[in-house]
Amino acid sequence: GNSVTQMEGPVTLSEEAFLTINCTYTATGYPSLFWYVQYPGEGLQLLLKATKADDKGSNKGFEATYRKETTSFHLEKGSVQVSDSAVYFCALSSNTGGFKTIFGAGTRLFVKA
Amino acid sequence: KAGVTQTPRYLIKTRGQQVTLSCSPISGHRSVSWYQQTPGQGLQFLFEYFSETQRNKGNFPGRFSGRQFSNSRSEMNVSTLELGDSALYLCASNQRAGAGANVLTFGAGSRLTVL
Repeated sequence: GNSVTQMEGPVTLSEEAFLTINCTYTATGYPSLFWYVQYPGEGLQLLLKATKADDKGSNKGFEATYRKETTSFHLEKGSVQVSDSAVYFCALSSNTGGFKTIFGAGTRLFVKA
Repeated sequence: KAGVTQTPRYLIKTRGQQVTLSCSPISGHRSVSWYQQTPGQGLQFLFEYFSETQRNKGNFPGRFSGRQFSNSRSEMNVSTLELGDSALYLCASNQRAGAGANVLTFGAGSRLTVL
């Protein structure tokens, strides 16, 4: 079945450092890929998405490119801020997966001032 | 417009009891999904409803059940509670019928503690 694997955390960075959180997936058909974020004390919210191969999703300085050849959707940001401290979840949704979105385990990011 | 509303936000139960959680989706959203979030297991899919029909169910025992009403509101029920059922239960709604570009809007969750 479909699955999502993302790098374990926590990831600790200094402010203005470059961020990469790796995400790979296994899926049948043509899934849509997402990154969701959960800030401390808040609910999950969509950060960005990509619906087909080679699409780049972007939002708030974060980017991720849908790479079908490597089945990856890595999250990147060029310069992180303290306010980016949160848990990041990679997710996959596919009609052949039965109308459900499945999530990776989540990666906690700490950004130090 | 109002977001996804989950009630109650917090509840404490004892082993063997049962619990019902409620979710009101965003107006116009017909798909509702439920997830269990725990520190060790992350986000686990419970079930998804669309137009009162359960379209998919995750790998949870039969003690976990749900339903959706004609106004798209959904409830989930857990019977014979076990300590391991302690978790944050998240509801998410979605406007589209299909899973493609299936953007979920989450509620704040219901935090269940089983003693």
